[in-house]
Amino acid sequence: ERQLVESGGGVVRPGGSLRLSCAASGFTFEDYGMSWVRQVSGKGLEWVAGIKWNGDNTGYADSVKGRFTISRDNVKNSLYLQMNSLRAEDTALYYCAKARSSGPDYLFGMDVWGQGTTVTVSS
Amino acid sequence: DIQMTQSPSSLSASVGDRVTITCRASQRIARNLNWYQHKPGKAPKLLIYAATSLQSGVPSRFSGSGFATDFTLTLSGLQPEDFATYYCQQSYSSPITFGQGTRLEI
Repeated sequence: ERQLVESGGGVVRPGGSLRLSCAASGFTFEDYGMSWVRQVSGKGLEWVAGIKWNGDNTGYADSVKGRFTISRDNVKNSLYLQMNSLRAEDTALYYCAKARSSGPDYLFGMDVWGQGTTVTVSS
Repeated sequence: DIQMTQSPSSLSASVGDRVTITCRASQRIARNLNWYQHKPGKAPKLLIYAATSLQSGVPSRFSGSGFATDFTLTLSGLQPEDFATYYCQQSYSSPITFGQGTRLEI
């Protein structure tokens, strides 16, 4: 069964940092682009960041550019999101998601999602 | 960035109805448009990819159409489990963007 499991969420003060992890199983992780998507409570889905299969190209939403860094370890079958300079508006449920089609890019529909990990930024 | 605009933002319907949700892109995106269903407490579920292709395991009552800037998701013969929020998403260029969502209510 293809599965993604996020971890690393928690409560952090404004200006603080947090690192999210996503463990993949049931598929050949290195063959797919990956993304992080978030949802603020009661709001819609927002794509946060994406990374190509070998990690050599990444993309970010304007709202997180310069503060968040997406990375991956294809040996450990894991995706990461380093979040720095956190703001109250970053409070959300963070999902990792797999690109539907194999290939280098993350610019596809996303067919496998984790259950999410919650990040709360509050003083 | 490409802006995705869905309409309506909410919709009331009954079991057995046929409903249509529209999504408009702020620039041409060919067929790089995907549709998701999202229920509270669950992960989003991919329904339609590349504008018209049905994702494996998704019932055939879901269908998608459109090209370039205008797209539709049609649900034919609504079932109780279909009441959820639906999102379109463009995968033409980075940053990926979602529509604001359409809440389908009984």
